[in-house]
Amino acid sequence: DSGVTQTPKHLITATGQRVTLRCSPRSGDLSVYWYQQSLDQGLQFLIQYYNGEERAKGNILERFSAQQFPDLHSELNLSSLELGDSALYFCASSTGGRETQYFGPGTRLLVL
Amino acid sequence: GQNIDQPTEMTATEGAIVQINCTYQTSGFNGLFWYQQHAGEAPTFLSYNVLDGLEEKGRFSSFLSRSKGYSYLLLKELQMKDSASYLCAYTTDSWGKLQFGAGTQVVVTP
Repeated sequence: DSGVTQTPKHLITATGQRVTLRCSPRSGDLSVYWYQQSLDQGLQFLIQYYNGEERAKGNILERFSAQQFPDLHSELNLSSLELGDSALYFCASSTGGRETQYFGPGTRLLVL
Repeated sequence: GQNIDQPTEMTATEGAIVQINCTYQTSGFNGLFWYQQHAGEAPTFLSYNVLDGLEEKGRFSSFLSRSKGYSYLLLKELQMKDSASYLCAYTTDSWGKLQFGAGTQVVVTP
């Protein structure tokens, strides 16, 4: 158990819908990272927050957005969902910088 | 990841040694990580190299050569539970975002 929690564990929805994935980092960690893992793309970095502020952006679609709240939990919002958005979404946390990232159990999203 | 390469699959026998190679190309480099991932589960941290050389941690060791853009993960005394995907990842900035390779699936046979 890494200490990072993610909810929900599984999510099934339809194309065009919007969903919110939630992540709580390890106690003491200020940095949260979101990654997407699909069969054909591997693990892809989406976005990073540090102490409430966006610090780095990767291959995140405009339909996706995220935020980190004052209590340091983070939410990833996915809208206008497409079939290709079906993937495992992982959240990771660290104390910041180049420190080791610890991954949560992931949310498996299936878009039908 | 398009700038990071590792073999797709390796098979080895229980008790043996396996070496997983990883090569990368990047203009900036701030460290290399190895993670283990069992199917459908979260990646778990194995090792981190920022300086050239060998880091040993129990049955697992990791090596880095920054000048060659090369790293390897050495798994010794293989156990059945070591069957998993091993992900190589580098970070290029001080904020730590990771660029992952596609992973090497290691299959341990009895």
